[in-house]
Parts: sequence; structure tokens; C-alpha cells
Amino acid sequence: NAGVTQTPKFQVLKTGQSMTLQCAQDMNHEYMSWYRQDPGMGLRLIHYSVGAGITDQGEVPNGYNVSRSTTEDFPLRLLSAAPSQTSVYFCASSPGTGGFGQPQHFGDGTRLSIL
Amino acid sequence: AQSVTQPDIHITVSEGASLELRCNYSYGATPYLFWYVQSPGQGLQLLLKYFSGDTLVQGIKGFEAEFKRSQSSFNLRKPSVHWSDAAEYFCAVGGVNTGKLIFGQGTTLQVKP
Repeated sequence: NAGVTQTPKFQVLKTGQSMTLQCAQDMNHEYMSWYRQDPGMGLRLIHYSVGAGITDQGEVPNGYNVSRSTTEDFPLRLLSAAPSQTSVYFCASSPGTGGFGQPQHFGDGTRLSIL
Repeated sequence: AQSVTQPDIHITVSEGASLELRCNYSYGATPYLFWYVQSPGQGLQLLLKYFSGDTLVQGIKGFEAEFKRSQSSFNLRKPSVHWSDAAEYFCAVGGVNTGKLIFGQGTTLQVKP
């Protein structure tokens, strides 16, 4: 049972490039979300999904796109990378019952640097 | 506004000493409260959670937390700290079907030998 798997673990981009951060979970969780972690700011919610085909914005959605075509996968797309998007990105999932009141399972993170 | 405040950015304790990490929240509905721990270069691991019922909850690794509604607090405690407890600790609040989990800024724990 792999849990939540994020790829890649590290990535360096140039300003203006686009890329997709992958997230997959094998626990059949309905809820999935993306956070970014910056020093002194904790984790901030970027986008989340309450099921296949349903997504919504979190606290800091600008510059990011998501889609949820399957229960297992929830990719995060950077449309045109900016230095302000340098961060550590975490994907998380949780069971549907109880909504986000259920504890979230986190991946190991993707460390992204934008030059 | 919904928010979580961890007043202590950095705490240093001696190994074997007791520990209390503070967490205060502001949330309009019934809160679900969590404590997570993050070791360097790792993801977040759930220590414990409070949904309802007994306000003193037990978690993994010997940690416990007490929910105090009147003080809007959910402080994390451990009677005797081990060197392996050195990590960053996050308090978080969410609600049923809100689609959001709000994190505090985190507290870094250093353990002196």
C-alpha cells in the first residue's frame, strides 16, 4: 500500500516554463488537495477536490490549475512558472466520510525551484 | 476569519523534560482539530485528532492534546521528550465538508541532550 505518491521529488524550472506535479493515491479516498509550504507560513491550500470531476479553489489558487478525471490522480499544473512559486508542494488525501474533518494523508512533497 | 495561531515559532527543551506546544484557533463552526509532525525533508504525519467527545485526546508517540472550547485552544503535550521528537509541529483546523484544512505557522522543536 503506497499511500500518497508525489512525483517528481525535486524540480528546477526557468521562469515562464510550465510543468505538472503528479499526485496519486491508492486508498480510494474521495478528497484530495494540494498545499504549498513556505518558511514561517505553514501550509496553504492551493486547490482541492471532493471527488472525480469536482475541484475548487483554496487559499492561494492563482497560477495553478487542477483537474480530477479519476479518483486516484490529482495533478497540479503550473501554467507559467514564476519565482514566487518556489516552494515545497504537498498533496494530501482523505476519506470522503466526514469530509475534511477526516485526517489527511500526505505525500512526501515536491521541492520546486523557479529560476 | 478562520485562522490558527501557534505563538511559539521555536522551542528548545532538554531531553526528558516535559513539553507543551500552544495552538489557538478561530473557527465559526464546530472545529475538527489536528496536530501533525514533520521531520526534515519528510511529509506530514498525523499525531492526533479531535472531533468530539472527551476533550483530552491521546495520540501516537506518547503525545496528548486537550481541547478547551472556552479558550479556543488545542495544546499539545508530552510528559518526557525524547531526542527523536525534534521536528516541526503543525496545528490545523477543519470542518465537515468545508473542503479546507487551515494550518498554523508551525513550531520547531529542538531537543537538547
